[in-house]
Amino acid sequence: NAGVTQTPKFQVLKTGQSMTLQCAQDMNHNSMYWYRQDPGMGLRLIYYSASEGTTDKGEVPNGYNVSRLNKREFSLRLESAAPSQTSVYFCASSGSLGQGDQPQHFGDGTRLSIL
Amino acid sequence: ILNVEQSPQSLHVQEGDSTNFTCSFPSSNFYALHWYRWETAKSPEALFVMTLNGDEKKKGRISATLNTKEGYSYLYIKGSQPEDSATYLCASDSGTYKYIFGTGTRLKVLA
Repeated sequence: NAGVTQTPKFQVLKTGQSMTLQCAQDMNHNSMYWYRQDPGMGLRLIYYSASEGTTDKGEVPNGYNVSRLNKREFSLRLESAAPSQTSVYFCASSGSLGQGDQPQHFGDGTRLSIL
Repeated sequence: ILNVEQSPQSLHVQEGDSTNFTCSFPSSNFYALHWYRWETAKSPEALFVMTLNGDEKKKGRISATLNTKEGYSYLYIKGSQPEDSATYLCASDSGTYKYIFGTGTRLKVLA
């Protein structure tokens, strides 16, 4: 059981380049999330998808877009990368609201550096 | 944005010591409180999800308590072992998908 799979694990970009971070889960979860983790700060929510076909902004959405391609996959796109987006990005998934006590399951993270 | 605070930021203990740390969260709009264990170079792993005031959960040598009225949760580790070394995260869940994470308590258990 792979759980939550993120690709790539590492990436270096130049300012202004674009890229898409991929995330897939095999737990039949309805909800998926993208976080960034910076030194001295907690995980901060970028975007989330409560269910297939819906996406919503989190705490720090500026500079990012997302696509919930199907129930399994939730991608994060940086259209024009900036040095401030250098971070470690985590994808997570969980059961839907109202399905009881649902922890989030995390991928291994993508370490992204913008030069 | 609601604040979740964890203390201490870091902690070194000797093998065999028991230890505890605190997660403080806003008590309004409370739905659930999550604890995660995060080892270096790995992803956060869920420990507990707690919803009821006075709730106590246990997994092996690790246990947690919850006070929703005053907005805090304690995580306890009994007889710490080197393999317990990790960052322990808590997150407040208001039932809106927007979990608010603390910055974690970094625990180092010395052999």
